[in-house]
Amino acid sequence: DAGVIQSPRHEVTEMGQEVTLRCKPISGHNSLFWYRQTMMRGLELLIYFNNNVPIDDSGMPEDRFSAKMPNASFSTLKIQPSEPRDSAVYFCASSPQQGSNYGYTFGSGTRLTVV
Amino acid sequence: KNQVEQSPQSLIILEGKNCTLQCNYTVSPFSNLRWYKQDTGRGPVSLTIMTFSENTKSNGRYTATLDADTKQSSLHITASQLSDSASYICVASRYNNNDMRFGAGTRLTVKP
Repeated sequence: DAGVIQSPRHEVTEMGQEVTLRCKPISGHNSLFWYRQTMMRGLELLIYFNNNVPIDDSGMPEDRFSAKMPNASFSTLKIQPSEPRDSAVYFCASSPQQGSNYGYTFGSGTRLTVV
Repeated sequence: KNQVEQSPQSLIILEGKNCTLQCNYTVSPFSNLRWYKQDTGRGPVSLTIMTFSENTKSNGRYTATLDADTKQSSLHITASQLSDSASYICVASRYNNNDMRFGAGTRLTVKP
């Protein structure tokens, strides 16, 4: 298995532009998570899906952020409009089942820079 | 206030030496505690996971301990190698959900 695949690896965009981050979870994993990592705040959970349904989006910072999971093999995290304070590394992770006792596999992340 | 505190923030050791990283948590009700290794530019990779009934778990040269009474965990690295240079993140989870609280990590540098 290729693991959790994220694209792009790096994204540089101008303030105000729309940014879309993509994630392909491990085949057969039913839960998918989006995290954001910054030096100041460490890793923060933004949203997670179980069986393609959003379960908890309380970590999404504001309405500029949205996430979708149209099918079991693909998810997107969109920021519109982007702001410099959104600059961070965004990780996607997947897990076989819902519940913290199951192993999480992280992707390599997307480093977003908003200038 | 973060519910997972790690120390030290950073650590430099010589190759071949041992080291111990600390993690204190206040997550409740407690389900499990994980240690992750995160190489620069990569996602975190799980090293160990322990439930409240386990007090030690090993993965090669990595040994994690857990004291559920004092809510403390440690990660001991034996005979360090240059490839151990990374951030080590402690994660405490609440019972029966996906609520995982991440520590800020300890940045370990192993020098030759």
